Amino acid sequence: DAGVTQSPTHLIKTRGQHVTLRCSPISGHKSVSWYQQVLGQGPQFIFQYYEKEERGRGNFPDRFSARQFPNYSSELNVNALLLGDSALYLCASSLDPAGLYFATNEKLFFGSGTQLSVL
Amino acid sequence: DQQVKQNSPSLSVQEGRISILNCDYTNSMFDYFLWYKKYPAEGPTFLISISSIKDKNEDGRFTVFLNKSAKHLSLHIVPSQPGDSAVYFCAASGKTGANNLFFGTGTRLTVIP
Repeated sequence: DAGVTQSPTHLIKTRGQHVTLRCSPISGHKSVSWYQQVLGQGPQFIFQYYEKEERGRGNFPDRFSARQFPNYSSELNVNALLLGDSALYLCASSLDPAGLYFATNEKLFFGSGTQLSVL
Repeated sequence: DQQVKQNSPSLSVQEGRISILNCDYTNSMFDYFLWYKKYPAEGPTFLISISSIKDKNEDGRFTVFLNKSAKHLSLHIVPSQPGDSAVYFCAASGKTGANNLFFGTGTRLTVIP
């Protein structure tokens, strides 16, 4: 079975541009989350979508937006790019909204990420 | 404001010995803790987790210990193997955290053959 797939793997943009990152969850997974990992830091939560609805949002400016499609794939959009947006963007999928019900041992499954460089 | 902290950026251990990775947290509302392992050019992969109602969880060579009063958890790997060399992230979430995990900054483990 295919894991979480993200595209593109690498991307170079200039300040002020717009970028769209894509994610396909594991088949059957209905929840998709986005994380930003800046070099030397741990991943930081951006958004979670479940059944096409936003279920959570991290502390990111309105330049960041996302959506989930009927097939549960997702897009992360970032407008007016800044140098500080350079990071690895990780998508994660899970079966249930929380992904943390230890009784069922559900977990987040991460993709390999999109490395975004803003020049 | 870093709510989950891994104060050791790197750790080197001889093959066959024990690796101990440490993690501290500040938010007393966290009640579920996880360890993820990350190889270069790959996303983090789940390793082991523990609920706040437990103080220990074991899975093969991996054991996680939780000390709620100290807001501290640790991951023990015994015996360490060269394939364990990776960056290890500690993460935490609350009851209403959904998929909002708070990650530490990671510890790079190198297991020397």
